[in-house]
Amino acid sequence: GAVVSQHPSRVICKSGTSVKIECRSLDFQATTMFWYRQFPKQSLMLMATSNEGSKATYEQGVEKDKFLINHASLTLSTLTVTSAHPEDSSFYICSAPRTGGSLEAFFGQGTRLTVV
Amino acid sequence: KQEVTQIPAALSVPEGENLVLNCSFTDSAIYNLQWFRQDPGKGLTSLLLIQSSQREQTSGRLNASLDKSSGRSTLYIAASQPGDSATYLCAVNEGSGSRLTFGEGTQLTVNP
Repeated sequence: GAVVSQHPSRVICKSGTSVKIECRSLDFQATTMFWYRQFPKQSLMLMATSNEGSKATYEQGVEKDKFLINHASLTLSTLTVTSAHPEDSSFYICSAPRTGGSLEAFFGQGTRLTVV
Repeated sequence: KQEVTQIPAALSVPEGENLVLNCSFTDSAIYNLQWFRQDPGKGLTSLLLIQSSQREQTSGRLNASLDKSSGRSTLYIAASQPGDSATYLCAVNEGSGSRLTFGEGTQLTVNP
């Protein structure tokens, strides 16, 4: 079964509104989670690293004020797309590594965001 | 900066064929390498994880090999089936907290 749960799976919002995406680790604690973005026909690109209890680390070119990340507990990270624009329409997906040596990454189901 | 390349970008084969997907990476200092499957509009399903100290991993009809020194990995799919049709992604983990660098993927179509 899924070990990382992501919601919602699809969301359509109006331009200028904000959208929150949740990522939960189901049976393990994740001090670190990762947020990726995937545009059509392209691969996944890391947006930011979410750290429990501290500020997120953003990749170059990703606006931290636009993509707000909160990692308030060891099992939940949220990504809020603020003042969404049509160019933010994309597939957003989170991952969490299972600790204990292998660092195997488990991914959520992804969120298809469409901004109209 | 790590770069991951997958060849071919797309592959179409008849059912029953054995096939090989290729992945190369520029920095051999990796912690592990994972192969994923992605169906259209869906998330990622982990297929195989190879640690840097390992040479290969097998799961059912799938076999993944790793040659860290040359920066290469292959995913071998035996007796392909239409249900194998998907995009296959390889990703390397350089150990800094499990952030992954992905290749562009190989889009596989297995025709009945």
